[in-house]
Amino acid sequence: GAVVSQHPSWVICKSGTSVKIECRSLDFQATTMFWYRQFPKQSLMLMATSNEGSKATYEQGVEKDKFLINHASLTLSTLTVTSAHPEDSSFYICSAPLVNEQYFGPGTRLTVT
Amino acid sequence: AQSVTQLDSHVSVSEGTPVLLRCNYSSSYSPSLFWYVQHPNKGLQLLLKYTSAATLVKGINGFEAEFKKSETSFHLTKPSAHMSDAAEYFCVVSIYNFNKFYFGSGTKLNVKP
Repeated sequence: GAVVSQHPSWVICKSGTSVKIECRSLDFQATTMFWYRQFPKQSLMLMATSNEGSKATYEQGVEKDKFLINHASLTLSTLTVTSAHPEDSSFYICSAPLVNEQYFGPGTRLTVT
Repeated sequence: AQSVTQLDSHVSVSEGTPVLLRCNYSSSYSPSLFWYVQHPNKGLQLLLKYTSAATLVKGINGFEAEFKKSETSFHLTKPSAHMSDAAEYFCVVSIYNFNKFYFGSGTKLNVKP
């Protein structure tokens, strides 16, 4: 089946710094990818839709300047958390659609100290 | 607007007994519905999906779900629980060609020996 990878799988950063998370579709191309956030013991919340070659579209309440998304190629989308704060600590998951299904990455756990 | 309500945040069953995880949905369009499972520190795994074909959907590991339009429900069942079924289960509604996914709050299934 199709595989989506994320890198890194976990990251610790200091408050005020920025951190980039990569999402790759390994064996298929994806013009669209999606970013989700999952707080501990909570559900996944759709943050934004990453569109190859154009601007991302963000869900209501998600800060565009805080969570920068770049979809530079058909197999790679990146999420950059800028000026991270402890409240940004979370589990970030990406997904990419193929045919009639979404394929999810394994997630990236971000801890901001 | 689309939304999913998982009626139980925790379900506890004994090994070998039936499992019922409840899900109700709301959608302005004809929905596609999914159940995903998330084991601790693992990525999301698709259990089954409904995409306007047969209303009784069979998935992996003995799970199945029935789409009931009149009740706007998509409950997940399994005749006999196994210890390995202990995990978090998410009901998901999708629109627009399986792109945007909206997750329920999740149900944590505990299986007692």
